[in-house]
Amino acid sequence: ETGVTQSPTHLIKTRGQQVTLRCSSQSGHNTVSWYQQALGQGPQFIFQYYREEENGRGNFPPRFSGLQFPNYSSELNVNALELDDSALYLCASSLRSGGAGRADTQYFGPGTRLTVL
Amino acid sequence: TQLLEQSPQFLSIQEGENLTVYCNSSSVFSSLQWYRQEPGEGPVLLVTVVTGGEVKKLKRLTFQFGDARKDSSLHITAAQPGDTGLYLCAGAGRGSTLGRLYFGRGTQLTVWP
Repeated sequence: ETGVTQSPTHLIKTRGQQVTLRCSSQSGHNTVSWYQQALGQGPQFIFQYYREEENGRGNFPPRFSGLQFPNYSSELNVNALELDDSALYLCASSLRSGGAGRADTQYFGPGTRLTVL
Repeated sequence: TQLLEQSPQFLSIQEGENLTVYCNSSSVFSSLQWYRQEPGEGPVLLVTVVTGGEVKKLKRLTFQFGDARKDSSLHITAAQPGDTGLYLCAGAGRGSTLGRLYFGRGTQLTVWP
């Protein structure tokens, strides 16, 4: 186990609703990244949080937003849910070492399965 | 659009056979990570390769990072049913994309007893 936890495990929502997903990072890690994995696809980067600020964003609309808290846990919020938002949402934690030019290894949680009806 | 192309997409073999999975891109990465994912679970890290030309061995698994840091391969010797799963490669961005991982679509491996 990686020590990264996510809640809830499964969630069913209807179109137009809002959802909040939660992630607790591995002990000692200061960076959280969120990914969306649609069925049959590899995970797609949504955004990353470091020191409570967004630090990089993928090709996702503004209705996808997030937060990182002082204890490095994080939330992913999605507003105005659409059918295509149905996916496994993965949180990954890492320790930013401050070195230039090298990404840190990311450790994934078990994911939250979101179904939008 | 996936930045990393993995092949084959599906692989079904008998226990004891050898196999190789390929991960190719036209982009250069700061590092490349291989994960294995079970249905409904998050990816589990197998290895990180950083240096061009690097080879890492993990028991029956051998990982290689291309000299130009654009591609990688995973070779499994004497596959076992416990190796069954989705194998994902992920390239780590550089510069303005540092910190994000670009995943391939994965190779679904099934090993039959």
